[in-house]
Amino acid sequence: GQSLEQPSEVTAVEGAIVQINCTYQTSGFYGLSWYQQHDGGAPTFLSYNALDGLEETGRFSSFLSRSDSYGYLLLQELQMKDSASYFCAVQQAGTALIFGKGTTLSVSS
Amino acid sequence: DVKVTQSSRYLVKRTGEKVFLECVQDMDHENMFWYRQDPGLGLRLIYFSYDVKMKEKGDIPEGYSVSREKKERFSLILESASTNQTSMYLCASSGTGELFFGEGSRLTVL
Repeated sequence: GQSLEQPSEVTAVEGAIVQINCTYQTSGFYGLSWYQQHDGGAPTFLSYNALDGLEETGRFSSFLSRSDSYGYLLLQELQMKDSASYFCAVQQAGTALIFGKGTTLSVSS
Repeated sequence: DVKVTQSSRYLVKRTGEKVFLECVQDMDHENMFWYRQDPGLGLRLIYFSYDVKMKEKGDIPEGYSVSREKKERFSLILESASTNQTSMYLCASSGTGELFFGEGSRLTVL
């Protein structure tokens, strides 16, 4: 089987930096993805890491350590519009993306 | 603009009814997926398909079936709806990378 663990809630203020961690247990691991979902909206793709290291896309970065079965999403210069749920998801061989339970990020002014 | 369209945004059905949730994608993607989303449980995979007429069970297939007769269309079927199937259902498609999701179908079973 597989499992993913991520915090259920994170709060921060505008302009701050926040890190959302994700640990996973799985077999046949291909990569770790991150998705964002605003209230009432569809999940949208943020990033994908197949190799160890940091991937940067604007204010968002994602990190993966395959040896530690661990990754994180780093959000910088937080804005109110970043308030959303963030899901990590693992890609395994021969199956579909398996998602974590999600982290609700609340950004206040 | 890429699009995954789910036929119904909101449905209310009675226990025991047969329910069809339709999903169509216009990106010529091979892969299509059905997830259900419940508060505190995240997205759970019901079924997926890597090709026409092909289907694979996900983590929670019980009480559901699927149909993929054409590449662009993936249907989720609840043969006999039950109250514990009240949920948000999300369809997604992918080529070789990211998933593209539809807006979801919120099903209430009374």
